[in-house]
Amino acid sequence: KNQVEQSPQSLIILEGKNCTLQCNYTVSPFSNLRWYKQDTGRGPVSLTIMTFSENTKSNGRYTATLDADTKQSSLHITASQLSDSASYICVVTFTGGGNKLTFGTGTQLKVEL
Amino acid sequence: EPEVTQTPSHQVTQMGQEVILRCVPISNHLYFYWYRQILGQKVEFLVSFYNNEISEKSEIFDDQFSVERPDGSNFTLKIRSTKLEDSAMYFCASSPGSNYGYTFGSGTRLTVV
Repeated sequence: KNQVEQSPQSLIILEGKNCTLQCNYTVSPFSNLRWYKQDTGRGPVSLTIMTFSENTKSNGRYTATLDADTKQSSLHITASQLSDSASYICVVTFTGGGNKLTFGTGTQLKVEL
Repeated sequence: EPEVTQTPSHQVTQMGQEVILRCVPISNHLYFYWYRQILGQKVEFLVSFYNNEISEKSEIFDDQFSVERPDGSNFTLKIRSTKLEDSAMYFCASSPGSNYGYTFGSGTRLTVV
């Protein structure tokens, strides 16, 4: 069964600090991997998208890495801000009809003063 | 920046009633999707729609669900005879192509009582 597992489940950091979120997936065949940010009660917002041939992708303070051999990805957030408090979701596209997204369970990040 | 618009933002309905959730995808996008998120759980794929027909659907998308693109701008999800377990946040999404970023709407929170 195609699965996407994330760790940690939740994380609290101080404003200004960096953090790294992890994602492991078993989705196969694999097309691309995305990281989304989801604020409570809102729709997911795309941060990065990487194909299997890409190792890293940056979007401002967000940097995603991908190791397609080990089926692992990470999202690094630098100089965290209070507005970064949200759920960060790893999403893998299963190559097939419709190219549906398989969502991970997310990491709930809280940034505090 | 173009947005995916969903209406209503909240819907309360009695068990057994029919509901229609509405979405206006981004105008030049070709792929349309419905996802749902039960409170506290991960986002789940329901259905993808391309070229005026369903391209893929999940096990969740049974005979009580249907989708329609009644005109050039709207994309609807109909749930016939709602059940308590249909209570969830329903997200519409669209993308210009299968390997492009998806844009999600803000969701419709459906509560079945």
